[in-house]
Amino acid sequence: NAGVMQNPRHLVRRRGQEARLRCSPMKGHSHVYWYRQLPEEGLKFMVYLQKENIIDESGMPKERFSAEFPKEGPSILRIQQVVRGDSAAYFCASSNPRGEQYFGPGTRLTVT
Amino acid sequence: AQTVTQSQPEMSVQEAETVTLSCTYDTSESNYYLFWYKQPPSRQMILVIRQEAYKQQNATENRFSVNFQKAAKSFSLKISDSQLGDTAMYFCAFLLPTSGTYKYIFGTGTRLKVLA
Repeated sequence: NAGVMQNPRHLVRRRGQEARLRCSPMKGHSHVYWYRQLPEEGLKFMVYLQKENIIDESGMPKERFSAEFPKEGPSILRIQQVVRGDSAAYFCASSNPRGEQYFGPGTRLTVT
Repeated sequence: AQTVTQSQPEMSVQEAETVTLSCTYDTSESNYYLFWYKQPPSRQMILVIRQEAYKQQNATENRFSVNFQKAAKSFSLKISDSQLGDTAMYFCAFLLPTSGTYKYIFGTGTRLKVLA
């Protein structure tokens, strides 16, 4: 039973480029969450999605960031025109009906 | 709005000893869930233990147990017989299932070091 998968594990982008982070939830889970962790800080909620629906994006920056969870395929977190402040670890989680969230290994984004 | 506070940025404990990590939270709701997650150097977030607010009995998972004080809004984690592999960041998290969204609110974490 595979856990939450994220790829890539490490991503390096130059300022102004686009970053695409992918997340495949655990089998049977249809709820996906994205969190951001800055160095030496806790995880901060960004967005909560179900298949083809954004349920809560209250933690997502209004500009340059978008997320989707299509009917088929992984959830994608997209960051356009990256800046140095976007450097962080981005975690995806999926939940079971009990509300427990299971996290992927994270994608460490470095903007140079 | 709900908040979660972990007031101990760093702690250390001798191997085989017991350590308690503190977490307090603020909410006006009565039905919620609380969690402790462990983040070792690999950065993987691992669920340690879960507590439903409507349950009076404290949750226990092997060497890990919680002291849930609902009136005081306190949710501490006790690790017994500490092992070197327990060295990690520990995050307390709050979930309000009735809010329509299931986002976790995390504390800032406690870095635990187990000493040989």
